[in-house]
Amino acid sequence: DGGITQSPKYLFRKEGQNVTLSCEQNLNHDAMYWYRQDPGQGLRLIYYSQIVNDFQKGDIAEGYSVSREKKESFPLTVTSAQKNPTAFYLCASSTDSTINEQFFGPGTRLTVL
Amino acid sequence: GQSLEQPSEVTAVEGAIVQINCTYQTSGFYGLSWYQQHDGGAPTFLSYNGLDGLEETGRFSSFLSRSDSYGYLLLQELQMKDSASYFCAVPNQAGTALIFGKGTTLSVSS
Repeated sequence: DGGITQSPKYLFRKEGQNVTLSCEQNLNHDAMYWYRQDPGQGLRLIYYSQIVNDFQKGDIAEGYSVSREKKESFPLTVTSAQKNPTAFYLCASSTDSTINEQFFGPGTRLTVL
Repeated sequence: GQSLEQPSEVTAVEGAIVQINCTYQTSGFYGLSWYQQHDGGAPTFLSYNGLDGLEETGRFSSFLSRSDSYGYLLLQELQMKDSASYFCAVPNQAGTALIFGKGTTLSVSS
């Protein structure tokens, strides 16, 4: 079955540590996205990538980094510079011509202690 | 920049009809999308309106008026499983990513 996987579902880290969240898709989509969701809030765009080896900052990129070395993979690193990293992180993908219809992974809930 | 406004909460009873409104401000316009998210789950795509008018998909319909910068999601024959958050979204100015509203939490009671 085609889809997007994110791992792990729950992640705990100590303050000051970098942590990398995994996102893999086998939908053959060119575009991939990372969103952050806080309780009672909408989805805020962190980074997105339209093609391998290229990515753009979203609205809240500070304290985060990404890479896009393969079409299938778009990992997100939450660095120690991110002041409030505890949140629900969602990865999505779409074809580059239909960005309005995005497919989401199950999400990773990150808690920084 | 792009911004969207939608009500934070809506309540209804089973079998009823509910309308969730969304107004937007955009520098360019490439269409309005709607997503559903159950508590703790992943958002799922519901519908897209690129042109004015009504799009129907089963019990759900979505409407767009570009002249009014307004759209709505209409849910009919409400079921308990429709209790979820609903987000409207528009593409960013470059048309390369989506900007989401803060969401409307729908609570359906029996």
